Amino acid sequence: EVQLVESGGGLVQPGRSLRLSCTASGFTFGDHAMSWFRQAPGKGLEWVGFIRSTDYGGTTKYAASVKGRFTISRDDSKSIAYLQMDSLETEDTALYYCGRGSIWFGDLLADYWGQGTLVTVSS
Amino acid sequence: DIQMTQSPSSLSASVGDRVTITCRASQGFGDYLAWYQQKPGTRPKLLIYAASTLQSGVPSRFSGSGSGTDFTLTISGLQPEDFATYYCQKYNSVPPTFGGGTKVEIK
Repeated sequence: EVQLVESGGGLVQPGRSLRLSCTASGFTFGDHAMSWFRQAPGKGLEWVGFIRSTDYGGTTKYAASVKGRFTISRDDSKSIAYLQMDSLETEDTALYYCGRGSIWFGDLLADYWGQGTLVTVSS
Repeated sequence: DIQMTQSPSSLSASVGDRVTITCRASQGFGDYLAWYQQKPGTRPKLLIYAASTLQSGVPSRFSGSGSGTDFTLTISGLQPEDFATYYCQKYNSVPPTFGGGTKVEIK
């Protein structure tokens, strides 16, 4: 059974950093791209960024709203994807989800999602 | 960037109704279009990809159509468990933009 479990969320002050983890199980993690998404309270879904599989260079892309502040990485030996969030702003307050990219239908198609971890940026 | 516009933003329907949700893109991109369902307090669930292909395990009352700039999600015979918010997303290239969502409520 495919499982994705996010962790690392919490309350953080503006300007500080936080690192989220997405721990995967039930599939060959290294074969898949991994995306991060977020959902502000009462709002819609927003893509944050993704990392390709290591076989495809492990390259990353980001949404304009987080580029230069957020960094995605992966540790295939531990089946974990990370989202390093620096210079956090109050607008970054959201529930953060990770999603597994589809091998067959596109890296940016998230066929499984985690349950999310809440990040609150407030002084 | 391509913008995705969903309509309506919300609708009220009864069990058994046929419901149609539309997603329009500001530019065409083929059929790299997905639909997700999200119930309150839960994670999004992939329903349809490639505009019209049902994800494994999704009931056949859900269907999708369209290509280019105009796409439709149809629920034929709304069930109590279908009351949720639905999002379209284009996934052909970065950024994989979502529509604003359509909340389907009980009439």
